[in-house]
Amino acid sequence: QLQVQESGPGLVKSSETLSLICSVSGGSIRSGAYYGGWIRQAPEKGLEWIGSFSYSGNTFNNPSLKSRVTMSVDMSKNQFSLRLSSLTAADTAVYYCAVRATYQTFDYWGQGTLVTVSS
Amino acid sequence: EIVLTQSPATLSVFPGERATLSCRASRIVGTNLAWYQQKPGQGPRLLIYAASARATGIPDRFSGSGSGTEFTLTISSLQSEDFAVYYCQQYNNWPSLTFGGGTEVEIK
Repeated sequence: QLQVQESGPGLVKSSETLSLICSVSGGSIRSGAYYGGWIRQAPEKGLEWIGSFSYSGNTFNNPSLKSRVTMSVDMSKNQFSLRLSSLTAADTAVYYCAVRATYQTFDYWGQGTLVTVSS
Repeated sequence: EIVLTQSPATLSVFPGERATLSCRASRIVGTNLAWYQQKPGQGPRLLIYAASARATGIPDRFSGSGSGTEFTLTISSLQSEDFAVYYCQQYNNWPSLTFGGGTEVEIK
């Protein structure tokens, strides 16, 4: 059974870049069958897809976030990461990482990490 | 972008009653639709994928139906642990995906 866990700073400043890491345990992400992704949830709001990637290296971002998103994978550490640049208050949210391992969409999710963007 | 509209926004139900949640897609997504349950302070939990298939460990009181643009999640007899927010998600163009706005199922 996979487990995923997000980590990162709880507070970042406006205009700076957010860096988050997702650690995967209980299985290796070296399998080409896995996909990973990031989803966020602003306070009292619904879920917003940020981006997804295949472990073969293809990435797909939400067009609404334009070129602010960068995702990468470190297979040696069984981790993947998210960088979101040019932060504004609108980026304040709980950020989730997720893995698609068994089914046709994300089936393993982290608990989420709250990121607050301050001015 | 495919927009998912969930209704109602809030559903008040007595324990033991049936709950029916709806999700409408702005374009045809086939059966590429999932349902998630989210409780406060937790990440979403996958309940249903491919519109009607239950994920491992999901009780059979949860059922999904529909195809094309109209989908339904039914909880046949609400238990106390089922009071939560439910989201539909389309993955017709995986790995791009979108979520509905959510339906909160609350105790009446």
